[in-house]
Amino acid sequence: NAGVTQTPKFRVLKTGQSMTLLCAQDMNHEYMYWYRQDPGMGLRLIHYSVGEGTTAKGEVPDGYNVSRLKKQNFLLGLESAAPSQTSVYFCASSPYGVAFRNEQFFGPGTRLTVL
Amino acid sequence: AQTVTQSQPEMSVQEAETVTLSCTYDTSESDYYLFWYKQPPSRQMILVIRQEAYKQQNATENRFSVNFQKAAKSFSLKISDSQLGDAAMYFCAYRSEEGSARQLTFGSGTQLTVLP
Repeated sequence: NAGVTQTPKFRVLKTGQSMTLLCAQDMNHEYMYWYRQDPGMGLRLIHYSVGEGTTAKGEVPDGYNVSRLKKQNFLLGLESAAPSQTSVYFCASSPYGVAFRNEQFFGPGTRLTVL
Repeated sequence: AQTVTQSQPEMSVQEAETVTLSCTYDTSESDYYLFWYKQPPSRQMILVIRQEAYKQQNATENRFSVNFQKAAKSFSLKISDSQLGDAAMYFCAYRSEEGSARQLTFGSGTQLTVLP
């Protein structure tokens, strides 16, 4: 099992450009999340999904959109990148129910720089 | 909304010694989980230990243990016999069991340095 993978690992954008970050998990998890991590701060939730075809806003959703057309994939889109979106982005997934004691499994992160 | 506070931005410990990292949280909920995650320079988030709020017994995982004080809303991490590989950023996190999202709320982290 690959676990949670993220594509790409690094990216540099110019202000106004768009891009999509891909998260994939092979553990058949229902829940998926996108977080961002900024210096001096913990991870903050951008958007999340509780199942295929569903998405919801988290703590810092402005400037981002998401889609979950397939259960194993969760896409994070930036339509018009801004320097304030320079950050490290983490995807995570979690199974539904108590069997796995609610652990979230994290991807390796994507470092995004917006110039 | 829940908040998690880690008041020690940086800590250091001598190799083989014991160190305690502090975490407090604010919630009105009764059903939740607490976690400590480790983030080494590789950026990978690694689960260190978890605690269910309804369990009074403190969780332990080898050299890692917690002091969970539910009434005080405190959740500290003790690392015994510190090793060089323990050097990392440590995050305390809260997860509610009373909503549909089940997302994690993180503290700002404590950077732990292990001195040889």
